[in-house]
Amino acid sequence: GAGVSQSPSNKVTEKGKDVELRCDPISGHTALYWYRQRLGQGLEFLIYFQGNSAPDKSGLPSDRFSAERTGESVSTLTIQRTQQEDSAVYLCASNLLQGNTGELFFGEGSRLTVL
Amino acid sequence: KNEVEQSPQNLTAQEGEFITINCSYSVGISALHWLQQHPGGGIVSLFMLSSGKKKHGRLIATINIQEKHSSLHITASHPRDSAVYICAPAKKSSGDKLTFGTGTRLAVRP
Repeated sequence: GAGVSQSPSNKVTEKGKDVELRCDPISGHTALYWYRQRLGQGLEFLIYFQGNSAPDKSGLPSDRFSAERTGESVSTLTIQRTQQEDSAVYLCASNLLQGNTGELFFGEGSRLTVL
Repeated sequence: KNEVEQSPQNLTAQEGEFITINCSYSVGISALHWLQQHPGGGIVSLFMLSSGKKKHGRLIATINIQEKHSSLHITASHPRDSAVYICAPAKKSSGDKLTFGTGTRLAVRP
């Protein structure tokens, strides 16, 4: 596609339910990142996929969070047993070159509200 | 101490003013990104640089690798420049993972 696409754009869920967020990066981009932004706060790194390398999961806040990526395409971020503190905008970004030495393209984000 | 420090945290300017936002970092980097986040939340990459200076329209970004410092300049500022500007170095020791500054919130008044 022309840009990074994320879905859903908005998700309201009840505490304890599982949610799945999807990111379609720009075709051919080897690197894909998930970030979280809580209301009024800065960007928080979650996970980084780079080609066939093992993903950098060092930013995942708990074992309730997991992410998968199929080859160099779609990624899903799954949050199990959601808590109210998981409410945030979840942003996906991708770029072409190895590491972060190429321009980053961000999706519009998925706004998650946990009631 | 944070690995990335931005200043100022908040900035209010009158339309037409020249604006400078500073970013200092303490880690070895392969590149540094400047990002713009509009009030609606969308994030746009403004620059990616690893040395010297880049210019795009009224925006100029510079980096001094030896001093571990980068600046973003906006000439002839306009209300539509109002946004949060984020400095994000790509840290070499972490596989070029981005480390984010806390951002500079800019408001340009007409």
